[in-house]
Amino acid sequence: AQKVTQAQTEISVVEKEDVTLDCVYETRDTTYYLFWYKQPPSGELVFLIRRNSFDEQNEISGRYSWNFQKSTSSFNFTITASQVVDSAVYFCALKGGGADGLTFGKGTHLIIQP
Amino acid sequence: DTGVSQDPRHKITKRGQNVTFRCDPISEHNRLYWYRQTLGQGPEFLTYFQNEAQLEKSRLLSDRFSAERPKGSFSTLEIQRTEQGDSAMYLCASSPEGPSYNSPLHFGNGTRLTVT
Repeated sequence: AQKVTQAQTEISVVEKEDVTLDCVYETRDTTYYLFWYKQPPSGELVFLIRRNSFDEQNEISGRYSWNFQKSTSSFNFTITASQVVDSAVYFCALKGGGADGLTFGKGTHLIIQP
Repeated sequence: DTGVSQDPRHKITKRGQNVTFRCDPISEHNRLYWYRQTLGQGPEFLTYFQNEAQLEKSRLLSDRFSAERPKGSFSTLEIQRTEQGDSAMYLCASSPEGPSYNSPLHFGNGTRLTVT
């Protein structure tokens, strides 16, 4: 069985602070894929990043960065210099090698206060 | 690229009634997915189509739920004899051809179902 845990239900920070969203996953597959999605108040899920289990290289995209650590089964997401527009619910998701459906975590509600 | 379109945006129905939702994927996307999301939870996978073939169904998809994609384009999700526990946001997503792991899902805005 696959499982994604996002222990932080809600995080509130002041604009320009850095914030890290945690994601811990469980899978028995040796090949798997990890994703982050953003769900703004409008409701549409927006794809942010995909990582496969063989690529532990961290990635940076503008103010966003991701830290994949296979040893701790974690795929954390950091926003630097947060902005109000970053306010949303962020979901971490896992896809096993054999399945086509994604397993999502419960999400972290990020609130950026001006 | 007009995005994934879902209709209706909101549906209120009485318990026991049947409802049908429609999803129009991004054109030429051959993969189509249905997910369900309840308040405070992440989306839960329901079913998946590749073209017109329904290739995967979750155990969450009870026999009151049926999904079709007759011509490999739009899809419908029908819920028969609705129950209050069916109240949720129903999300549709599509992705292009290629290894499914390599194609991120493009989600629609969802259909919010309220069963009274």
